[in-house]
Amino acid sequence: DQQVKQNSPSLSVQEGRISILNCDYTNSMFDYFLWYKKYPAEGPTFLISISSIKDKNEDGRFTVFLNKSAKHLSLHIVPSQPGDSAVYFCAASPAFSTSGTYKYIFGTGTRLKVLA
Amino acid sequence: DTGVSQDPRHKITKRGQNVTFRCDPISEHNRLYWYRQTLGQGPEFLTYFQNEAQLEKSRLLSDRFSAERPKGSFSTLEIQRTEQGDSAMYLCASSPEKTGLGNQPQHFGDGTRLSIL
Repeated sequence: DQQVKQNSPSLSVQEGRISILNCDYTNSMFDYFLWYKKYPAEGPTFLISISSIKDKNEDGRFTVFLNKSAKHLSLHIVPSQPGDSAVYFCAASPAFSTSGTYKYIFGTGTRLKVLA
Repeated sequence: DTGVSQDPRHKITKRGQNVTFRCDPISEHNRLYWYRQTLGQGPEFLTYFQNEAQLEKSRLLSDRFSAERPKGSFSTLEIQRTEQGDSAMYLCASSPEKTGLGNQPQHFGDGTRLSIL
């Protein structure tokens, strides 16, 4: 039962253009979402997060959009740079937990290639 | 500002042997997580510590797996009687606890890659 889905395994974009990575989730209890970037042989690096009280969060070239009714989030990278080439994972979690655990459920990742 | 440190980076062992991995979280973080990642998949949650208390264990964590965080600082993950299916990247993450702010981003180490021969 894949609660967080990234349906595009790969994406190629020209340098300077916009990259749009998508993520869908099924569990309505999720209300905190994150994007991570992963280079080979390294751990995931936190990029940006959003809680369900917002529908947009921006940090430099990275913007995350959340559509709660569609259970969909997306990451926009503008402009894309060759150094952005990596695997991108979305993750979901409850914002508050009575059990004290804030485990993340990850998607399977999208490999982004930015072409120079 | 040191990040999450994991040791060793790579471990190759024969089936049936025991292995132990270590994780040193970011010093002020009292939440510590272990995840496992296999090829083509995202990280999967294994277990969670708040300080020294292990608050949750995934069904993925069979009785051959044990994790500790004895003084609420570093953590160890031990796998006994390793099997081929244990081959994976084992990731540790930590996050701070900020009163009233709930979930905070987890910061990951570079992982320990386990290969079972």
